[in-house]
Formats: sequence, C-alpha cells, structure tokens
Amino acid sequence: EPEVTQTPSHQVTQMGQEVILRCVPISNHLYFYWYRQILGQKVEFLVSFYNNEISEKSEIFDDQFSVERPDGSNFTLKIRSTKLEDSAMYFCASTGTGETSYNEQFFGPGTRLTVL
Amino acid sequence: AQRVTQPEKLLSVFKGAPVELKCNYSYSGSPELFWYVQYSRQRLQLLLRHISRESIKGFTADLNKGETSFHLKKPFAQEEDSAMYYCALRGGYSSASKIIFGSGTRLSIRP
Repeated sequence: EPEVTQTPSHQVTQMGQEVILRCVPISNHLYFYWYRQILGQKVEFLVSFYNNEISEKSEIFDDQFSVERPDGSNFTLKIRSTKLEDSAMYFCASTGTGETSYNEQFFGPGTRLTVL
Repeated sequence: AQRVTQPEKLLSVFKGAPVELKCNYSYSGSPELFWYVQYSRQRLQLLLRHISRESIKGFTADLNKGETSFHLKKPFAQEEDSAMYYCALRGGYSSASKIIFGSGTRLSIRP
C-alpha cells in the first residue's frame, strides 16, 4: 500500500540555521499539507498546497517558512532561520485523487526537529 | 472559532471493559468529524469518520450535533487498543480543507 514518506526522521540543528524537511506524498495525490506537533501539545496545521501554490496557511506559517514542490514528487518545508520554539515533530500529509470530497489525509511518519 | 476538545489526557481501563473517549467540537458550519489513532512508533492513521457511520476495530462514534460531541466508544476494550487517539474536524467538504485536531487522549488497556 502506498505511503507518505518523510526524511530525515530526526534533524538536529543550531538556532539560526536553515533546515529543509522533505516529504514524498502518495504519487497520484493532488493536495499536500504540513502539520507540526510541539511535544505535549496538539497537532497543528501549518500549510496546504495545491496546484503549485499555497491554498491556506496558519498564523504559525510566517515569513520564516516556505514550501515547495521542486520536482513533481518531493514536497519540502523550509525554515529559513530556526528558533528554539520550532522544535517539534513535523508531519506531511497528502490527499485527493480528483474532484471527490471526503478524501482521507494520509500522514507521513514525521520528522523530529530539534533546535539547539 | 474552530476547536476540538478532548477533556481526558489519559484513560486507563481494564481489558474487556467498555471504553468511551470524549470529544466536543466548536464549529459554525457543518464539519466533518474524524477519529485518528497513533499506535506506538507508528504514524497517525484514520480510524473512522462520521460520514461513513461504520465500526472499525469495534469502535463507533456518533455525531451529536445538539451536544456538539463525537465520542468514541467500544464495548469491550482489547490490549491492542492501547494508543493515542485524536478527535479531529475538517471544515467544509473540500479535499483541501485543513484538519483541526484535539489534544489527544492516551488510552491504556490494562490486562
């Protein structure tokens, strides 16, 4: 069964450094998402992406964040200058094979980002 | 405001006992409600959705619009049900709509 994959599983970085988190959504999906979960808190929506542009973003998704689908298979989340409070588990999700509603969002295993 | 509330952080029951994980939501329109489950060291996965009205792994959940609740129930808990359970909603019936999660309830089944 196809799955969303994410790399790396764990990323450690110094405050102020740029990080890129990578996701490979399920191949025929059209909608892509990033969520994050700070330790002990709820899973929070960051951004959704469709047709090579952002569909919706949360207030968390400020100018330090960007997303890209560089090559038709990968979907990346870049944090330009990491802060301590960016430490979290980041989940990628994908859904949608067409115009149908009620599509399930399939989640990746997550990347744990630790900012020191 | 769109919000999902799960009042219990931890629920511990004996094997064979009934289970009810509580979920209340706040949404101005007609949301789609879900339960997601995350077993130890595994990814988040959809358990069930209110639209389908089905029973998955013995779990059911009924949407009560009057009480704005979507409690998850199972009559007889099994040890393999131990996991983190998240109630969630999606506003509107678009594939692009974001999912809003509750804070989760850790279900622990004692042998």
